[in-house]
Amino acid sequence: SQQGEEDPQALSIQEGENATMNCSYKTSINNLQWYRQNSGRGLVHLILIRSNEREKHSGRLRVTLDTSKKSSSLLITASRAADTASYFCATGANSKLTFGKGITLSVRP
Amino acid sequence: AAGVIQSPRHLIKEKRETATLKCYPIPRHDTVYWYQQGPGQDPQFLISFYEKMQSDKGSIPDRFSAQQFSDYHSELNMSSLELGDSALYFCASSLGGGWSGGAEAFFGQGTRLTVV
Repeated sequence: SQQGEEDPQALSIQEGENATMNCSYKTSINNLQWYRQNSGRGLVHLILIRSNEREKHSGRLRVTLDTSKKSSSLLITASRAADTASYFCATGANSKLTFGKGITLSVRP
Repeated sequence: AAGVIQSPRHLIKEKRETATLKCYPIPRHDTVYWYQQGPGQDPQFLISFYEKMQSDKGSIPDRFSAQQFSDYHSELNMSSLELGDSALYFCASSLGGGWSGGAEAFFGQGTRLTVV
């Protein structure tokens, strides 16, 4: 079974709109992190939310975590064309960070 | 600010050859992680080191080995390369040994390995 499964797999929106991406996981976690990856490039850490937190903000990013449903959402407000990338959620435990399938976000200018 | 440095950035090898990938963590970071990302795939954890000792192991083939040196840089050695080993290999570093406490890790730009 896949840890950190994202939903939807692909999302296309207009610049200025909000983008919401969801992630579900299966095991207990210490924290959940969201990463961004531009095509073929490195992974950039966006935000980390601990298992005892429910919501966290960072700039235009808002992350929620529902441990009872084992799910998280990443909201990007007022999207820009430069937000076009793949987004991954990853669950952290011990020395391992397990990534789910990425969500491809396309923001049309 | 210094980031995680990986070398080389691109590598082309033939089947059955060997390859060595290097990772230089952010100064003072004591933990290094290796990930493999195939085309269109999510990153898969291979192995991690904390204070020069292996701390966790993922889906790393027996043909691969890795170590962390006294200066904290790490090398991933890959032997008997197969076509399926073609992927982007990422290294990440952090301070403090693990994800449990929420240590933020910083990823390098990756090494793109192509096996022909």
